[in-house]
Amino acid sequence: SQTIHQWPATLVQPVGSPLSLECTVEGTSNPNLYWYRQAAGRGLQLLFYSIGIDQISSEVPQNLSASRPQDRQFILSSKKLLLSDSGFYLCAWSVRRDVYEQYFGPGTRLTVT
Amino acid sequence: DAKTTQPNSMESNEEEPVHLPCNHSTISGTDYIHWYRQLPSQGPEYVIHGLTSNVNNRMASLAIAEDRKSSTLILHRATLRDAAVYYCIPPLTGNQFYFGTGTSLTVIP
Repeated sequence: SQTIHQWPATLVQPVGSPLSLECTVEGTSNPNLYWYRQAAGRGLQLLFYSIGIDQISSEVPQNLSASRPQDRQFILSSKKLLLSDSGFYLCAWSVRRDVYEQYFGPGTRLTVT
Repeated sequence: DAKTTQPNSMESNEEEPVHLPCNHSTISGTDYIHWYRQLPSQGPEYVIHGLTSNVNNRMASLAIAEDRKSSTLILHRATLRDAAVYYCIPPLTGNQFYFGTGTSLTVIP
């Protein structure tokens, strides 16, 4: 069966510090991968999606970036965090031919202080 | 792009049916309607999807209006574990879709 992992579960970082969140998927090949962010009291915002290694689309301009060095690994990064980067970060995957059925990881709660 | 409209919040008594409405008046004829839910402090989980006919699965039923401009997610017997935010997802072209703020369902014991 398929499993999606995210770490860390919680993170407190000062403004201006770098960020690296990792997501890995097991039990499937060639998935679509997604990064979402949910700010407190708001809906989910799609940040990045990827259809393959080194194939990444950005949905919103920001100080975040994403990389996909391996088929089942998706990394969210920032060189300098802003207060507005605080939120609940979720990684998700879907089968390439069925993008509407996405499977989400447990999420990382990031607080920028 | 098609958009959806949902009430911000609803309440239901435990063991009673819940009908969660969604308006999607700009949906096209070939767009599926998808529902997800998000339990507190967890990622969203897929609930159900449909095109024209009503759909049933182990989690819920989806009733789609004949003109497809609205749909209703039906939980036949609400339990405390069904307390969550329910998202009616607007379809988009491409590989991604967007979650709005959804309907926050409170289940009263």
